Amino acid sequence: GAVVSQHPSWVICKSGTSVKIECRSLDFQATTMFWYRQFPKQSLMLMATSNEGSKATYEQGVEKDKFLINHASLTLSTLTVTSAHPEDSSFYICSAMGGRGTGELFFGEGSRLTVL
Amino acid sequence: DQQVKQNSPSLSVQEGRISILNCDYTNSMFDYFLWYKKYPAEGPTFLISISSIKDKNEDGRFTVFLNKSAKHLSLHIVPSQPGDSAVYFCAASSGLGQKLVFGQGTRLTINP
Repeated sequence: GAVVSQHPSWVICKSGTSVKIECRSLDFQATTMFWYRQFPKQSLMLMATSNEGSKATYEQGVEKDKFLINHASLTLSTLTVTSAHPEDSSFYICSAMGGRGTGELFFGEGSRLTVL
Repeated sequence: DQQVKQNSPSLSVQEGRISILNCDYTNSMFDYFLWYKKYPAEGPTFLISISSIKDKNEDGRFTVFLNKSAKHLSLHIVPSQPGDSAVYFCAASSGLGQKLVFGQGTRLTINP
C-alpha cells in the first residue's frame, strides 16, 4: 500500500519556540494532504487540508497563524507550530489520499510534540 | 456536534470469538465509510471501507455492515486474534476525496 512518512516522530521543545513537522508521500503523489491532531484517549480531529500549490484550508477553531501549513510539492507537506506552548503538546498525524482512487487515506506514523 | 459516534470506548473479546464494533452517524450526506486500526503512538492503518451503495463488504476476517436507514455501521472481526488488540476508529465522508470525520474510537482487547 501507499506509504506516508512523518518526521520527526517525537520532539520536545521549550515554550515559545517553533517546531516543524514534515509529511512525505513516499511512493505516490499527493495533491491533498490532511493534518490531524489527537489528544489522549480522544478522536482524531482534522486541523486543516493541505493543497499543493495553494493555501491550506483550516477547520473552524484552528489558528492558521499558529499552525502554518506549507504544501510546496506533490510529495511534501509541512506543519509548523509557531511559538509553541504547553497546550500545543499533542500527537500530530498527517495523511494523504492513496493513488488508487478508492478514497482511503494513508496515515503517517504521527509526531508526538511535547512543549515544556 | 459529534457526527460520528462510537459509543463503546472499550470492548473485550476472547480469542477465536467474533468482535463486533459499532458506529453511528448523524449526517445523512455521508456516503463513504471507513474503519481504521490504531496502535499507540502510531498513525491509523486503513482496514476496510464501504460505500453507501452497498450494505456489506468483506475482506478476509473483516466484514463491514452498513444500515443506512439506521445510520449505523459495524465492523465484524472473526475469528479474533491477539494481534487485533488496538483502537478502532470508524470514519465517514461525503464522498471520495472529501475530508474524513472520525468517531471517538473503541479500544478492542483480545484475551487469550
